[in-house]
Amino acid sequence: GDSVTQMEGPVTLSEEAFLTINCTYTATGYPSLFWYVQYPGEGLQLLLKATKADDKGSNKGFEATYRKETTSFHLEKGSVQVSDSAVYFCAHIQGGSEKLVFGKGTKLTVNP
Amino acid sequence: SAVISQKPSRDICQRGTSLTIQCQVDSQVTMMFWYRQQPGQSLTLIATANQGSEATYESGFVIDKFPISRPNLTFSTLTVSNMSPEDSSIYLCSVAPRAKGTEAFFGQGTRLTVV
Repeated sequence: GDSVTQMEGPVTLSEEAFLTINCTYTATGYPSLFWYVQYPGEGLQLLLKATKADDKGSNKGFEATYRKETTSFHLEKGSVQVSDSAVYFCAHIQGGSEKLVFGKGTKLTVNP
Repeated sequence: SAVISQKPSRDICQRGTSLTIQCQVDSQVTMMFWYRQQPGQSLTLIATANQGSEATYESGFVIDKFPISRPNLTFSTLTVSNMSPEDSSIYLCSVAPRAKGTEAFFGQGTRLTVV
């Protein structure tokens, strides 16, 4: 069945460090892919998305490229800030439905 | 975009009682989803709520424990019944994408603690 495998956390970085959070998916066809972010005490917000192969989603300095050959959608940021501390979820839409399938989430802590 | 108001934002409840969570959307939507996020875990879909029909529950969730109402296209409720400490979680409502590939929108969540 459909699934999302996400890099286990927690991840702790110093400010201005480079960030990569790996995400791979198993799905039928080519689903739309998403990264959601959950800041402490808040609900989920869409960070970025990609709807077809080779698309690059970007927002707030974060980027992720839809790689169909490796079924991956890794999240990257060149220079993280303390305000990026949050839990990041990779997700895709389940084939044949409008349900989102989430990874387990990766908690990121950025220290000054 | 869709703005979702969810309430209460948090509650502390006694075991054996029930809590009803409300979700109000600022526009009409066909499908609404209810998720549970247990401490330190990812989101698990509880059920899909369509207006005018009974909710569809995912494996491991039953209507007696999590009854859902969907009286119109902008509102839904989820009740957590006969609560136990294991029900302590964040509960989130979400609305389905308007078009294929567009993002889903989430409420702020209800942080439930059962004591």
